[in-house]
Amino acid sequence: RKEVEQDPGPFNVPEGATVAFNCTYSNSASQSFFWYRQDCRKEPKLLMSVYSSGNEDGRFTAQLNRASQYISLLIRDSKLSDSATYLCVVGYNDYKLSFGAGTTVTVRA
Amino acid sequence: DAGVTQSPTHLIKTRGQHVTLRCSPISGHKSVSWYQQVLGQGPQFIFQYYEKEERGRGNFPDRFSARQFPNYSSELNVNALLLGDSALYLCASSLIGVSTNTGELFFGEGSRLTVL
Repeated sequence: RKEVEQDPGPFNVPEGATVAFNCTYSNSASQSFFWYRQDCRKEPKLLMSVYSSGNEDGRFTAQLNRASQYISLLIRDSKLSDSATYLCVVGYNDYKLSFGAGTTVTVRA
Repeated sequence: DAGVTQSPTHLIKTRGQHVTLRCSPISGHKSVSWYQQVLGQGPQFIFQYYEKEERGRGNFPDRFSARQFPNYSSELNVNALLLGDSALYLCASSLIGVSTNTGELFFGEGSRLTVL
């Protein structure tokens, strides 16, 4: 079983729409949770950390459900520039992050 | 300020050959991690080094090795290359380890290896 599993998509949405997607993780001892963004043929970059109480960063909202071991990301008012692959990332020690395969989002004009 | 720099950016090797990839972390960062990203997959952890010591190793064969130098730069070596080693090799730096508080790794643009 993969450590982190994501719906690969693609999610193809019009500008202004709301898009949401989840990932699940297998290790119940996981301690830290993040969403990274990766543009085509570029390096991953941290989008936001995910906290148990849920958190927002502008148009982005992340939720964590430890009991069910899933993490979600919601993007409101989608922009063309939001088109990217979103990587769900889980850490349970201080040296390794486990990445999902990514969810591809394409925002069309 | 310079970000994480990696070299070479692209390279082509044949099966059985050896490759060395190089990485310079962000100034002041003492930890370097290496990840392998196969097309269509997320990055997979290979190694982390902190203060020249290996702190963690992923599920990769012994053909993969790495080291960190006193200036905190790092090399990843892969021996006896296989077709399946074709991937983007990403180096990432962080101040210390992957803190559970921030989890921010700063990635370089990667070295794209093709094995024929």
